[in-house]
Amino acid sequence: SQQGEEDPQALSIQEGENATMNCSYKTSINNLQWYRQNSGRGLVHLILIRSNEREKHSGRLRVTLDTSKKSSSLLITASRAADTASYFCATEGGSYIPTFGRGTSLIVHP
Amino acid sequence: ETGVTQTPRHLVMGMTNKKSLKCEQHLGHNAMYWYKQSAKKPLELMFVYSLEERVENNSVPSRFSPECPNSSHLFLHLHTLQPEDSALYLCASSQVNFGDTQYFGPGTRLTVL
Repeated sequence: SQQGEEDPQALSIQEGENATMNCSYKTSINNLQWYRQNSGRGLVHLILIRSNEREKHSGRLRVTLDTSKKSSSLLITASRAADTASYFCATEGGSYIPTFGRGTSLIVHP
Repeated sequence: ETGVTQTPRHLVMGMTNKKSLKCEQHLGHNAMYWYKQSAKKPLELMFVYSLEERVENNSVPSRFSPECPNSSHLFLHLHTLQPEDSALYLCASSQVNFGDTQYFGPGTRLTVL
C-alpha cells in the first residue's frame, strides 16, 4: 500500500512556535498533498507537491518532498491557536484517487 | 465554503431505518467520492464516480448504496445499518486529471442506534 503515514500522531505546542509533521509512504508517487481538518468538518486542501519538486511554500506553510526517502514534511511557522486541527497527507501514484494517512492532531495553545 | 455541500449535517437513525445522504458540488467537477471517517482510523474510500459511472467500490457492504444521477449530485442510500457504521461521512469532488485536488464537503455525522 502506498498509504501515507503521518508522524507524530499528536503534537502540542505554544502559539508562536513552529510545528513540523512528517509523512512517509511506501511506493513511488506522482504527487503528495497535505490537507487540514478542523474537528468534525471536511478536509481542506493546503498544498500539492509533485514528485519532481523538492519544496513548496504557501504563506506560513512549507512542504518538502524527498522521494529517495519516500517522505514529506509540513512545516507551519509562527503557529496560531487557529492552526489547531488534524493534518493529513495524501499520496497519488497512478490514478487520480489519493490515499490518506491517519493524520497528525495539532494543538496550538494560546 | 469549498463549493461542496452535504445534507443532512447530522443524522441519527435506528438499525431498521432507511435514509439517504446527499452531496452536491458547484465546481463543475466530473468525479465524486464518498469517504467514511471513523475515530482513530484512516479515511476510508467507499465509492468513486467518474463521469457518472462508478469506478471504485472498496468492498463496501451492500447496506450502503450509492447513486450518481448527474455529475453534480451524489447520494448514499442507507438501510439496515449497524452501530459500527456510525461515523463522519464525507463527500468530495475533483476533476479527473492527473493529481488534481479534492474538494470536500463538511460531512454528515451519522449515529446508528
